[in-house]
Amino acid sequence: EPEVTQTPSHQVTQMGQEVILRCVPISNHLYFYWYRQILGQKVEFLVSFYNNEISEKSEIFDDQFSVERPDGSNFTLKIRSTKLEDSAMYFCASSVGGGDTQYFGPGTRLTVL
Amino acid sequence: AQSVTQLDSQVPVFEEAPVELRCNYSSSVSVYLFWYVQYPNQGLQLLLKYLSGSTLVKGINGFEAEFNKSQTSFHLRKPSVHISDTAEYFCAVSETSGSRLTFGEGTQLTVNP
Repeated sequence: EPEVTQTPSHQVTQMGQEVILRCVPISNHLYFYWYRQILGQKVEFLVSFYNNEISEKSEIFDDQFSVERPDGSNFTLKIRSTKLEDSAMYFCASSVGGGDTQYFGPGTRLTVL
Repeated sequence: AQSVTQLDSQVPVFEEAPVELRCNYSSSVSVYLFWYVQYPNQGLQLLLKYLSGSTLVKGINGFEAEFNKSQTSFHLRKPSVHISDTAEYFCAVSETSGSRLTFGEGTQLTVNP
């Protein structure tokens, strides 16, 4: 069964450094998403992406964040200058259509020191 | 704007007992409803979803949920739980016309022998 994959599984970085989190969505899916889950808190929507552009973003997704689909398979989330409060589990998801079921990857745990 | 409230943060039960995890939502438009499960140190797995049609939906692992539009609820049930059902359960909603998933706070289900 096809699944969403994410790399790395765990990323440790110093405050102020740039990080790139990578995702490979399910191949026939057209919509891509990033969510985050701060330890002990609810899963929060960050951004959705369709047709090579952002279709929706939350208030969390400020200028420090960017997304890109650099090729036909990868979908990346870049945090330009990490802060301590960016420490969280980041989940990538994909869906066939905009209102369809979203399938989640296993997540990348980002730790900012 | 939409919101989701999971009324119980923790639900301890004994093995083979029935369980109900409660979820209420708020939205000004029609919605799709989902339950996801998160096992320790893993990503989010879709349990079941309500898109339209029959208000009783069946999912994986013997779980089912009933959509009640008048009470704006989507409670998750299982008639007999197993130790392996111990996990965090998240209720989520999306607007039919959009794509963002809004999650509840989660309910930790602990099944004891």
